[in-house]
Amino acid sequence: GQQVMQIPQYQHVQEGEDFTTYCNSSTTLSNIQWYKQRPGGHPVFLIQLVKSGEVKKQKRLTFQFGEAKKNSSLHITATQTTDVGTYFCAGPAGGTSYGKLTFGQGTILTVHP
Amino acid sequence: SAVISQKPSRDICQRGTSLTIQCQVDSQVTMMFWYRQQPGQSLTLIATANQGSEATYESGFVIDKFPISRPNLTFSTLTVSNMSPEDSSIYLCSVGPQHEQYFGPGTRLTVT
Repeated sequence: GQQVMQIPQYQHVQEGEDFTTYCNSSTTLSNIQWYKQRPGGHPVFLIQLVKSGEVKKQKRLTFQFGEAKKNSSLHITATQTTDVGTYFCAGPAGGTSYGKLTFGQGTILTVHP
Repeated sequence: SAVISQKPSRDICQRGTSLTIQCQVDSQVTMMFWYRQQPGQSLTLIATANQGSEATYESGFVIDKFPISRPNLTFSTLTVSNMSPEDSSIYLCSVGPQHEQYFGPGTRLTVT
């Protein structure tokens, strides 16, 4: 079945440093989504990318969708302590199934002040 | 975005017992989804709950272990049956337009 791999598993940064997490799918995705889960919290939707090569920005966060629609990345510029949490990418399970998602393993971000 | 509540927020249960988790949404939705997040792990889809039809289970999950009800368009329950310590997880329901999902706060289950 479809697999979504995410690296790194952990990332420790000093406040102000940049952070990037990468996501790779075993199959072509119709879209990819990114979620953030704060410690003790639930996943919160950040963004959805749909188009090949798409780049979207949310303040200090930059999301990219690969040309082949099999990989994606999330880059955070100048991290802050509020960025702490686990970042997950997720693709539609089975390719197009509405609302059914396959999640990557997540990247746990720690920001040291 | 939808406002989702879950009950209970956490529970500690003995092995062999069952727990029913409730999920309430503030608007009518066609599909609701149940996910499991084992300690320190990612999210795994358990099943899709449609109103008026049987739930659809993902590979590795069966109705006898995780029976689901969907009596109306704003509510669903997930029961974790005959629990073992391996069922200790966070159970989350989700809803959403198209492919973006909004998650409930989760139910943290510990089985002793």
